[in-house]
Amino acid sequence: SQQGEEDPQALSIQEGENATMNCSYKTSINNLQWYRQNSGRGLVHLILIRSNEREKHSGRLRVTLDTSKKSSSLLITASRAADTASYFCATDGSSNTGKLIFGQGTTLQVKP
Amino acid sequence: NAGVMQNPRHLVRRRGQEARLRCSPMKGHSHVYWYRQLPEEGLKFMVYLQKENIIDESGMPKERFSAEFPKEGPSILRIQQVVRGDSAAYFCASSPPGGPDTQYFGPGTRLTVL
Repeated sequence: SQQGEEDPQALSIQEGENATMNCSYKTSINNLQWYRQNSGRGLVHLILIRSNEREKHSGRLRVTLDTSKKSSSLLITASRAADTASYFCATDGSSNTGKLIFGQGTTLQVKP
Repeated sequence: NAGVMQNPRHLVRRRGQEARLRCSPMKGHSHVYWYRQLPEEGLKFMVYLQKENIIDESGMPKERFSAEFPKEGPSILRIQQVVRGDSAAYFCASSPPGGPDTQYFGPGTRLTVL
């Protein structure tokens, strides 16, 4: 079964609104990462948060991590049509080999 | 600094043929990972390599699939005797020496088996 599971599976919002995506995982981790994938393209790394961090910001992105609940959230503020993509969380499962375990992803549609 | 490069971007094979997918990591990166993405799904880890070494192949199917990362040249993911179920997007990622940490992904190779 997937280590990371995103919720919701699909999200549709208007430009300017905020988008929140959640990710749950099962095992202990060293870090958790969020990636974006535009349709038919490769993955773009957005942000990495370590297990000893609770919150991290990067531009319009805000990521939180709650290791006690084994969950993370990605908030995109003031969304733009260009944010339309699939978003994946990935954990390393406390592995030292770097093997990433991805969730199924959240498909975000931002309507202009 | 060029990113991770993969070729070909699209590959069409008939059942029973061989598929070779190439990945050139970012300059200075010595860790290479291969992932497979089936339609409408997330990425699944296949194999992790360093130069001339397979570190973790726990995600590789037991038969027909192999990977290498030679001292010189790109990493190769090889699929022998392809079947329709092998149709997927195959992504390569690389990370710098000193720790896996952030992985930088290539654009992927989309394999279609007819």
